[in-house]
Amino acid sequence: GIQVEQSPPDLILQEGANSTLRCNFSDSVNNLQWFHQNPWGQLINLFYIPSGTKQNGRLSATTVATERYSLLYISSSQTTDSGVYFCAVGALSGNTPLVFGKGTRLSVIA
Amino acid sequence: EAGVVQSPRYKIIEKKQPVAFWCNPISGHNTLYWYLQNLGQGPELLIRYENEEAVDDSQLPKDRFSAERLKGVDSTLKIQPAELGDSAVYLCASSVDGTGYGYTFGSGTRLTVV
Repeated sequence: GIQVEQSPPDLILQEGANSTLRCNFSDSVNNLQWFHQNPWGQLINLFYIPSGTKQNGRLSATTVATERYSLLYISSSQTTDSGVYFCAVGALSGNTPLVFGKGTRLSVIA
Repeated sequence: EAGVVQSPRYKIIEKKQPVAFWCNPISGHNTLYWYLQNLGQGPELLIRYENEEAVDDSQLPKDRFSAERLKGVDSTLKIQPAELGDSAVYLCASSVDGTGYGYTFGSGTRLTVV
């Protein structure tokens, strides 16, 4: 099946800093989503982005489908951004459920 | 509009006992998923339903796990008997259809088997 690799696995930022999280995937996809899992375990959908670029406030994401990677940018980080960020993809072949990477654990310190 | 509702939020049971988790998806979402999340890992699919039909259950350990979505709305996931290694978070998600549009997760059930 499709493989999803996220980097870095862990990241510590000072409040106000910017960061880039990367997601590489092994096959063509028709679905790519970024999720944030907060410290209470709730998974929140950030972006549905199988291709192109989207922005939502301090967050933006870019997927280059032809090169099989996606980037999540966090600008002016805040302590509330802490948690685990997951990239999840659905393979192009048929309606397949999302396959998750292992996540990037982000800690933003004041 | 209510999101995906799961219950219970937490469950502690002794090994060899049965346990059941319940999920009510977002109204109008035809596709329902059960995921398992171990500590420090991403969610892994257990089973996917399109309406009342299980269309992907290859990762469900069928010797002890079972699931149902009888009327194509809410769903129950059962473990019988539970083992120590089943301790994890069980997540339910739903989407509009099989394309995954509108993927939304519930808060999960944290199971501890002692």
